[in-house]
Amino acid sequence: SQQGEEDPQALSIQEGENATMNCSYKTSINNLQWYRQNSGRGLVHLILIRSNEREKHSGRLRVTLDTSKKSSSLLITASRAADTASYFCATDAGMNRDDKIIFGKGTRLHILP
Amino acid sequence: NAGVTQTPKFQVLKTGQSMTLQCAQDMNHNSMYWYRQDPGMGLRLIYYSASEGTTDKGEVPNGYNVSRLNKREFSLRLESAAPSQTSVYFCASTDRIFYEQYFGPGTRLTVT
Repeated sequence: SQQGEEDPQALSIQEGENATMNCSYKTSINNLQWYRQNSGRGLVHLILIRSNEREKHSGRLRVTLDTSKKSSSLLITASRAADTASYFCATDAGMNRDDKIIFGKGTRLHILP
Repeated sequence: NAGVTQTPKFQVLKTGQSMTLQCAQDMNHNSMYWYRQDPGMGLRLIYYSASEGTTDKGEVPNGYNVSRLNKREFSLRLESAAPSQTSVYFCASTDRIFYEQYFGPGTRLTVT
């Protein structure tokens, strides 16, 4: 079974608006990551947040982590057409730093012109 | 640096045929992974290798075998392909310290 689940499955917003995606997971984690995938391509790493961090910023991206609720959110501010992509959260599934990383099913984001 | 490379990019197999998907990374990463991606299912982990000489099963290992040939290369073998293995396959490698995964461009496999 997959560790992370993104919500919503799909999201369409107007260019310039903010986009928020959520991820919930089941077991305790060391790190949570967000990735982007453009159609037909491999995933690209966006940001990593550690379990002892609550918020992290990178450019127009803001990620929050609530370990008590086992959830994370990704906010993209001032969206652009180039942000159209699928976004995935990924969590490590064990205590060992070499352990596997499990991906959710993703949120498909579509930015309308 | 090429990053993570995968061959082939596309492949069509008949049911029962075998093939090996190749993956190589030039970033000196210890950990390497094979995923499959199906529509609406996201990425599912097939096998991973935490370090050279070790391999472990992921979520969906049945029907696959892997070989960590050396630190750079991690191959995925389908011994007897089935239509259910039609998918896009991604290889990835990880910098152990930072955990960021670097992905290859994918192999689109169709089994008829």
